[in-house]
Amino acid sequence: GESVGLHLPTLSVQEGDNSIINCAYSNSASDYFIWYKQESGKGPQFIIDIRSNMDKRQGQRVTVLLNKTVKHLSLQIAATQPGDSAVYFCAESGNDMRFGAGTRLTVKP
Amino acid sequence: DVKVTQSSRYLVKRTGEKVFLECVQDMDHENMFWYRQDPGLGLRLIYFSYDVKMKEKGDIPEGYSVSREKKERFSLILESASTNQTSMYLCASSLFGGGLAGVTDTQYFGPGTRLTVL
Repeated sequence: GESVGLHLPTLSVQEGDNSIINCAYSNSASDYFIWYKQESGKGPQFIIDIRSNMDKRQGQRVTVLLNKTVKHLSLQIAATQPGDSAVYFCAESGNDMRFGAGTRLTVKP
Repeated sequence: DVKVTQSSRYLVKRTGEKVFLECVQDMDHENMFWYRQDPGLGLRLIYFSYDVKMKEKGDIPEGYSVSREKKERFSLILESASTNQTSMYLCASSLFGGGLAGVTDTQYFGPGTRLTVL
């Protein structure tokens, strides 16, 4: 069946470094992708989205890259801060919305 | 800003009890969703609703029912709670309606209810 997955379950970075979180998807019909951030004890928070007619979209300190050829999505966080520590997960949407299990990002001071 | 609220942050119930989880959104969104979130499994869709009094089964509807009597409110009901329903329950809403077409819109989540069934 179709699936949304993440390459790494955990990621640890030094404060100030850039972070890259990856996501693989297998449904070639998916045309809309979202990254969510979930802090401990809280609900998921929308970060950024991208549609399949784009390959890059930038927000404040975050960039999402979409490579439709290899069905790969990534979230880049610039100058990672302690407040960025959370679980990040991607979602893909075609006929329905599917969520990945998440990557836990830990920022070391 | 979209605000999605859930009636309880933490809930402890006993096996066999009837449990109601309430969700309210204040942005006049058409679609509302109930998910459960378990470690390593991600979000799994239980039920969703694209209009008042309308409901659709998600991936794991067994043991659950829902009610949407008003546009802003979507309730999840566990008729007879079991220990395997211990989980984090997340409610979400999105703007667009129109059945499955609305599922593709950005979903905004509530803070979650951590339910423990003893």
